[in-house]
Amino acid sequence: GAVVSQHPSWVICKSGTSVKIECRSLDFQATTMFWYRQFPKQSLMLMATSNEGSKATYEQGVEKDKFLINHASLTLSTLTVTSAHPEDSSFYICSAQDNSGGGTDTQYFGPGTRLTVL
Amino acid sequence: DAKTTQPPSMDCAEGRAANLPCNHSTISGNEYVYWYRQIHSQGPQYIIHGLKNNETNEMASLIITEDRKSSTLILPHATLRDTAVYYCIVRPVYNQGGKLIFGQGTELSVKP
Repeated sequence: GAVVSQHPSWVICKSGTSVKIECRSLDFQATTMFWYRQFPKQSLMLMATSNEGSKATYEQGVEKDKFLINHASLTLSTLTVTSAHPEDSSFYICSAQDNSGGGTDTQYFGPGTRLTVL
Repeated sequence: DAKTTQPPSMDCAEGRAANLPCNHSTISGNEYVYWYRQIHSQGPQYIIHGLKNNETNEMASLIITEDRKSSTLILPHATLRDTAVYYCIVRPVYNQGGKLIFGQGTELSVKP
């Protein structure tokens, strides 16, 4: 099946620093990737849609200047949490959409990145 | 996007079939039914999807009612490793696909 990786799997940083998370589709090209956030005991919340070669589309309430998304190639999207604060501590998960065939554009998810801001 | 309704939790005995229901009474003709599951502290795993016909793969079967207002995910022989939160999601399919909006899902506990 389609494989999506994320790096790092976990990160601890000090308040005020920036953290970059990478999302890669390993065996397929993805023109569209998605970024989600999940707090403990809650469901996944969509943050933004990342399109290769264009600006990301953010969901209502998500600060685009705080969560910078870059989708520079068909296999890589990055999420940078700028000036991170303890309330940004969460589980960040990406997904990549496989447009290769079948017409149903199934999304495959990465393993997630756990961010802890001290 | 159409919403789905799932029971918050279910138990299943190991080796028995797990039948997870989902109601999506407002689904429209161009929306697929997708099922994902999330094992604790991992990313969601794709299971299966369908439009109106029943579907089967190596992981599960998906039974969609004729009126498409509900569906059932069947894990034929549940194991302890199937313990997870299962999400039923309806998703419009356009040229580039649609967003996945996650509800609360069903927490399935498979017990020995």
